[in-house]
Amino acid sequence: AQKITQTQPGMFVQEKEAVTLDCTYDTSDQSYGLFWYKQPSSGEMIFLIYQGSYDEQNATEGRYSLNFQKARKSANLVISASQLGDSAMYFCAMREGRDNAGNMLTFGGGTRLMVKP
Amino acid sequence: NAGVTQTPKFQVLKTGQSMTLQCAQDMNHNSMYWYRQDPGMGLRLIYYSASEGTTDKGEVPNGYNVSRLNKREFSLRLESAAPSQTSVYFCAVRLAGGTGELFFGEGSRLTVL
Repeated sequence: AQKITQTQPGMFVQEKEAVTLDCTYDTSDQSYGLFWYKQPSSGEMIFLIYQGSYDEQNATEGRYSLNFQKARKSANLVISASQLGDSAMYFCAMREGRDNAGNMLTFGGGTRLMVKP
Repeated sequence: NAGVTQTPKFQVLKTGQSMTLQCAQDMNHNSMYWYRQDPGMGLRLIYYSASEGTTDKGEVPNGYNVSRLNKREFSLRLESAAPSQTSVYFCAVRLAGGTGELFFGEGSRLTVL
C-alpha cells in the first residue's frame, strides 16, 4: 500500500485565492512527522512546513499552513493568497518513527499547482 | 543549494558505462541520502547513510552502490548503466536537532542511451 497518497495530479488556482493540496498517509507508528516540499520548474527541492504527530496545533509558516487531521490520516497543505511564484510541484512526505539519525522520508507522487493571473 | 554540492549536474551515458555521482556537504550533519526522481513522479530512496561508515539500502537500490567516504562525502555509483536509470538524482542531508527535515542538493540529471 502507498504510504503517502496525493490524489490531485494537477490543480489550478486563481491568483490571490487560497488552495488546498491533499495528502493522506498510512502508518502504524504513533510517532511520525509530515513534511511538505515545493519543487519549482528549476528543479530544486524546497522545504515548506513540518507537522509532528504529537503536535496539537496545526503548523503554520507564513502563507502556508498544514491542516492536520490525525484520525483521518490526512495532512493537507493550505496556501493562502496564491501568487504566481507558487506555481510548482508540491510533495508531501512522511518520516515514520521518532526523528533519529538515518530516518528516511517517503514521498508522495506530487501535485502540480498552476496559479492563473 | 548552499551546503550540499552534487557533481556532475548533467551526464549522458551509454548503456553499460559506469559513473559515480559525487555529493559533498559542508553542514556537518551525520545522515545523508540518495534519491531518484523519474519524470512526473515523486522521489524514491536509493541508499542512505545514517553516519560515517554505515550505509543501508532504500526502496530502489538495485543497480547502484554507495560509499560514505567520510562525514562530508557520500557517492553513488552506477556500475553498468541501463536506460531505466535515466533520472534526476538528489543527494540530501538530514538536519538534526529540529524537525529532521532533509536539505537537498540541486540534483544531477542523468540520461542513459
